[in-house]
Formats: sequence, structure tokens, C-alpha cells
Amino acid sequence: DAGVIQSPRHEVTEMGQEVTLRCKPISGHNSLFWYRQTMMRGLELLIYFNNNVPIDDSGMPEDRFSAKMPNASFSTLKIQPSEPRDSAVYFCASSSLAGISYEQYFGPGTRLTVT
Amino acid sequence: AQTVTQSQPEMSVQEAETVTLSCTYDTSESDYYLFWYKQPPSRQMILVIRQEAYKQQNATENRFSVNFQKAAKSFSLKISDSQLGDAAMYFCAYAMSMGGADGLTFGKGTHLIIQP
Repeated sequence: DAGVIQSPRHEVTEMGQEVTLRCKPISGHNSLFWYRQTMMRGLELLIYFNNNVPIDDSGMPEDRFSAKMPNASFSTLKIQPSEPRDSAVYFCASSSLAGISYEQYFGPGTRLTVT
Repeated sequence: AQTVTQSQPEMSVQEAETVTLSCTYDTSESDYYLFWYKQPPSRQMILVIRQEAYKQQNATENRFSVNFQKAAKSFSLKISDSQLGDAAMYFCAYAMSMGGADGLTFGKGTHLIIQP
């Protein structure tokens, strides 16, 4: 089991540029979550999907943020245009709705730095 | 909205001793789930222990146990026989469903230092 895969692990970009973070959930999992971690705000839920459908995006900070899950094995989080205050670690997590394994499994995170 | 509060930004304990990390939460729900996650310097989030609110019995996982007080909305983590590998940030988290269908609400974390 490869676990949740996130890419890139590190991203450095300039203000105004578009940033795309990628996530591959664990095979068979049908819930996917995007979190953001900063020193000031801690860990925040941005958006989550059940069966590829966005359920709650109330945590998405601004219209500059968008997330998609075109299929069960891939999700993206896009920031356009990026700003320095978007600098954070972005985590993707996946889980199963089946109840057999109800833990949220986290990926290693993407550290984003916007200069 | 649910909130999770960890009032101890940092705790320190001697190796082999016992330490308790505090967590309180606020919810109007009667059925929910509580978790403790560990985040070592590698930043990987690792589930330590989980508690279902409908269960009166406190969860235990080896050296880790919780004291769940539903009426007081308190959920503390006890680590017995502390080891150097326990040094990490610890996050208390809440979910309305068992993680698979609802996002987690996290506390701000407690930095645990293990003194050799």
C-alpha cells in the first residue's frame, strides 16, 4: 500500500503565479480531504469530497482557491493567483466510507512558499 | 460550529514518566468522534487513538489512553512510560462522523518535549 501520495513535496513560486497541488488517495478510499497548516491558524479543513463529489467547501479561503476530483484516484487544489499569505503546508487525506477502515490517512504534505 | 481547544502550547516530561495532554471541545451534537494525532518533525500526521462519543469506556492503545468526560466535553491523552520517540506535536481533533464522511476540526496542538 503506497499510502496517500502528494506532489510536489515542496513548491516555491512568486506572487501572482498559479499553483497546482496534486493528490492520489489510497486505492479504494472514497473520501478525500484537503487541509492547510500554518503557524497562525493551525490545521484547517479546506474542502472534502465523498465519492468524487464536493460536500463542503466552506473552508476554502477565497475564490482564488479551487479543488477538483475528476475521478476516484486523483484530486487537485489550485491557487490562482497565489499570494504570500498562502504559504503553508497543504495536506491531503483519504478515508473509506465503508466503515471498515475509518481512519483518515494523511499524505506527507506539500510545503508551499509564495514569495 | 464545533471548536477544539488545547490549552497547553508546550509540555515537557522526563523519559519513562507519565504525561497528560488536555483537550476540550464544544459541540451541540450528541454523537461524534474524537481523535489524537501525532505530528513528528517529519510532519507526517499519525493517528494515535480514537474515541466514539457513544462509548463510555475510555480508549486505550498500548501506552496511550484517554480520559473522555462527555458531560464536561473533555478529552485528555495520557502517555505512560514516555519515550524519546514520543516527542512531537499532538493534535486533538473532532469529527461528527467516523472520519470517512466528515472533515476533522483540529485544536492548535501541544508540543511535547521528552527530557532524556
